[in-house]
Amino acid sequence: DQQVKQNSPSLSVQEGRISILNCDYTNSMFDYFLWYKKYPAEGPTFLISISSIKDKNEDGRFTVFLNKSAKHLSLHIVPSQPGDSAVYFCAASVGSAGGTSYGKLTFGQGTILTVHP
Amino acid sequence: DAGVIQSPRHEVTEMGQEVTLRCKPISGHDYLFWYRQTMMRGLELLIYFNNNVPIDDSGMPEDRFSAKMPNASFSTLKIQPSEPRDSAVYFCASSLLQGYGYTFGSGTRLTVV
Repeated sequence: DQQVKQNSPSLSVQEGRISILNCDYTNSMFDYFLWYKKYPAEGPTFLISISSIKDKNEDGRFTVFLNKSAKHLSLHIVPSQPGDSAVYFCAASVGSAGGTSYGKLTFGQGTILTVHP
Repeated sequence: DAGVIQSPRHEVTEMGQEVTLRCKPISGHDYLFWYRQTMMRGLELLIYFNNNVPIDDSGMPEDRFSAKMPNASFSTLKIQPSEPRDSAVYFCASSLLQGYGYTFGSGTRLTVV
């Protein structure tokens, strides 16, 4: 059962335009959400996160939006740059009430972003 | 800090052979996680440790997979016997706080032929 889903395997965007990556989740106990970025032959690196008490978090060109009622989050990159080309993973975790689920991150399948010059 | 160190970077082995993947977490991190990346399922959690104790191994696919953490600075993931469907990239990650972002190693690309 895939609790975190990224339904778009790939996304292609022109440099300077906005990139929007989407993520849906099914577990209503998730209360912390993260985006990771992965370059080839490297491990994923943390990009940005959001707590369920917020609906938006911004860090430079990156903004994450959370819609709890829809169980949906998105990552906006504005403006997109060729160096943003990578695989983006959405991840979620459960709070302390989650028993053994507490602390572990559940990841989506990833979306390959390609930014063309 | 050198980050999370995994070895080997690449492993090619024949079906039926034993494979051992190694991980050295960041010093001071109390949590260690083993993930497997595949195209279909993305990053799947296999097992995680807290203070060297396995907490959740529900993601370990079969009894052929086992993981140990004999001390705070070393962990192994073993597959015995290996099968072609085990071919994937295996990542180790460590963290100081639960659920608030991990530091990943560079991964081990395993190919079982």
